[in-house]
Amino acid sequence: DTGVSQNPRHKITKRGQNVTFRCDPISEHNRLYWYRQTLGQGPEFLTYFQNEAQLEKSRLLSDRFSAERPKGSFSTLEIQRTEQGDSAMYLCASSSESGGYNEQFFGPGTRLTVL
Amino acid sequence: SQKIEQNSEALNIQEGKTATLTCNYTNYSPAYLQWYRQDPGRGPVFLLLIRENEKEKRKERLKVTFDTTLKQSLFHITASQPADSATYLCALANSGYALNFGKGTSLLVTP
Repeated sequence: DTGVSQNPRHKITKRGQNVTFRCDPISEHNRLYWYRQTLGQGPEFLTYFQNEAQLEKSRLLSDRFSAERPKGSFSTLEIQRTEQGDSAMYLCASSSESGGYNEQFFGPGTRLTVL
Repeated sequence: SQKIEQNSEALNIQEGKTATLTCNYTNYSPAYLQWYRQDPGRGPVFLLLIRENEKEKRKERLKVTFDTTLKQSLFHITASQPADSATYLCALANSGYALNFGKGTSLLVTP
């Protein structure tokens, strides 16, 4: 396994359009996280899945954002009616259930630019 | 409100010296604290995790301390190298698995 992968790596869209990002975690990891990062800031937590169940969502996650993880494998993050303020790097991470509070393995991110 | 504060200014040090980065937090009771490295345009990479009942953790040239009374963690890189130049992020969680990150400290190691 080569690690967490994310597609696309870059996305440019016009305000008001919908976009969808995909994350493929490390295959044996049952936990999957989405974060958002803007320039000069650390990643901000958006949501977390354990297997296919979405267990936690940040207050930052507006109704325009929805995430899914069908079958507990890959995950998608959709942003509807994009706004310029949605421009950011969207990071996906995964971790293993074994061993307690394990480290998270991050993907390379999807950079979203909303014009 | 909850805050995680890291050195806001970039840290410039000479190769071979020890770099010390600070992470202070307020209104958290973290079960553990993690340090990550992030290079430009890439996702963070895990470096070390220290639990609330641990005072110090080491890994090769890295050392992390965790003082829950002072609400502070220190991250040390000994014998620093230019390849250590990156942004270093402190992250913690009160419970569960979602991480809260600081803004990061940019480290530049010059030959």
